[in-house]
Amino acid sequence: DAKTTQPNSMESNEEEPVHLPCNHSTISGTDYIHWYRQLPSQGPEYVIHGLTSNVNNRMASLAIAEDRKSSTLILHRATLRDAAVYYCILRDVVTGANNLFFGTGTRLTVIP
Amino acid sequence: GAVVSQHPSRVICKSGTSVKIECRSLDFQATTMFWYRQFPKKSLMLMATSNEGSKATYEQGVEKDKFLINHASLTLSTLTVTSAHPEDSSFYICSARGQTFDSPLHFGNGTRLTVT
Repeated sequence: DAKTTQPNSMESNEEEPVHLPCNHSTISGTDYIHWYRQLPSQGPEYVIHGLTSNVNNRMASLAIAEDRKSSTLILHRATLRDAAVYYCILRDVVTGANNLFFGTGTRLTVIP
Repeated sequence: GAVVSQHPSRVICKSGTSVKIECRSLDFQATTMFWYRQFPKKSLMLMATSNEGSKATYEQGVEKDKFLINHASLTLSTLTVTSAHPEDSSFYICSARGQTFDSPLHFGNGTRLTVT
């Protein structure tokens, strides 16, 4: 299964943009790139997903490299509520591959 | 947005007893639900996948007789931890996927199980 690698931790000042990178060099053509985040003692929360084109929603933007081997989650203005562990995950849309691999994720600290 | 309700949020039980955790999709039909466990400061580990009306598929190393999964309807899956022991203490999380493979996953808020 294609895996993802992310930095273990990142810091950001409040109200500044945050760019969270993810490498997925073994991504296949049918893998969607999904991002979720998990606050302490809660289940993960869906953030955004995409296949090839950059995506925007009310929570964040997703920038996908042209070769799709990496992507970046962009939080345009970090708030204290954005402090969480962010997971980048690949999902095969042909098989709906069930064994989603949650790597260690990136723990984002937002500094007031 | 889609909501998955997980109950209970916290449970303490004695060693040797069984505990049932429910996962409900409130406003959509979930043909597939997933069960994870998470240890402190660690990532989620997939335990099993349940499809409505069929037997669950367990990940390698997960005992199916210990972690009984039932997905009897399109809105409800249950995980029963049988004969619980202290090493089963963990954070259990369910998630549900919509009708299509590219649908985002929606997670419950997890169940903190403590076995004394």
